[in-house]
Amino acid sequence: EADIYQTPRYLVIGTGKKITLECSQTMGHDKMYWYQQDPGMELHLIHYSYGVNSTEKGDLSSESTVSRIRTEHFPLTLESARPSHTSQYLCASSEGRERYNEQFFGPGTRLTVL
Amino acid sequence: DQQVKQNSPSLSVQEGRISILNCDYTNSMFDYFLWYKKYPAEGPTFLISISSIKDKNEDGRFTVFLNKSAKHLSLHIVPSQPGDSAVYFCAASADWDDNFNKFYFGSGTKLNVKP
Repeated sequence: EADIYQTPRYLVIGTGKKITLECSQTMGHDKMYWYQQDPGMELHLIHYSYGVNSTEKGDLSSESTVSRIRTEHFPLTLESARPSHTSQYLCASSEGRERYNEQFFGPGTRLTVL
Repeated sequence: DQQVKQNSPSLSVQEGRISILNCDYTNSMFDYFLWYKKYPAEGPTFLISISSIKDKNEDGRFTVFLNKSAKHLSLHIVPSQPGDSAVYFCAASADWDDNFNKFYFGSGTKLNVKP
């Protein structure tokens, strides 16, 4: 069973607010990921991390930023939320250097920006 | 540009029958494929995978078939059960970054298994 958590699960917020989506995993995984998914669409990788102090941008351009100060924690921040940021955000993690390791997903945060 | 495509947004099957979910990909560099299953209000969970050196992988009621020449894979569920009702995502990975397992996901197929 995967131990990866995301908070909040749902967030409705006004334009211009700063928000942080939390993601934590207790499996000691080095690699962590953030995906964005609109309804009926594919998951798009927006950020990933190889380990502490490592962050990279994914394939889909995003105005969000991430940090990785601790292995277990990979928060995503939007400095000024806009309606175009409305989406579901999924956090995932995987272990080791093997490319074939599965990714474990959190339950997601559904963000609505009014 | 979507590299992994699931062209059927939904599929409805009677309990006990076979469910066949399809996935097409465009990038011939992809050499590892996975299926994930997602229930409402939960994150996707890994179901089954296949390497490009194989054309079939079986795990209980779930079998994945890979046709490299057609750039097509399918997931067969036999027999289908109501608990299989979920959204199924196909994902693919390539060996261009040996240090990192980046997955490309399809848009999902919602399976409804009717009792």
